[in-house]
Amino acid sequence: QLQLQESGPGLVKPSETLSLTCTVSGGSVGSSNYYWGWVRQPPMKGLEWIGNIYDTGTTYYNPSLKSRVTISIDTSKNQFSLRLSSLTAADTAVYYCARRRPTGGPFDYWGQGTLATVSS
Amino acid sequence: SPVLTQPPSVSVAPGKTATITCGGNDIGSFPVHWYQQRPGQAPVLVILYDSDRPSGIPERFSGSNSGSTATLTISRVEAGDEADYYCQVWDSNADPLFGGGTTLTVL
Repeated sequence: QLQLQESGPGLVKPSETLSLTCTVSGGSVGSSNYYWGWVRQPPMKGLEWIGNIYDTGTTYYNPSLKSRVTISIDTSKNQFSLRLSSLTAADTAVYYCARRRPTGGPFDYWGQGTLATVSS
Repeated sequence: SPVLTQPPSVSVAPGKTATITCGGNDIGSFPVHWYQQRPGQAPVLVILYDSDRPSGIPERFSGSNSGSTATLTISRVEAGDEADYYCQVWDSNADPLFGGGTTLTVL
């Protein structure tokens, strides 16, 4: 059974950079035909896609966040990571990592999520 | 930018049928996926490609998609179905787009 687990600091300061890692078990991030992505959910709000990465390293970002987002993949550690810079309080959210099927497919496996609070 | 419109809330009595809609321009031309999110938990995929059910999802969950509306139907609703439900498509830029979510309340 594929499992994803997010890790990272729960509290970050405004203007700083959030760094999160998703560790995958029960499968390989180097498997072809899957994308690995990040989705966030501000408190009491809906889901917002942040971006995806393919095992080749090709990335796709939400245009509204593109200037501040970097997603990378480390197949040797079976992990992928998110960096979000220039943080503001509006970036406070639960951040989920997820696997996405190709060709218009869904996010079929999700991590449990990690809350990142932006506050001084 | 494209928008997926869901009703903020739907209420249904136990044992009845809940219908949750997802509206969007020509949404019937794109595959729609549905997620269930119980309070404090991660989303769970309940319907993919308009009407397919992943392994482990009860047959009570079904979906359809035509024209400008996709629909998630939950038959014989149980208390455990109380959750937020989100529809999702891929927009013209091949980016994922989520609906605003619908809170299902079981009376």
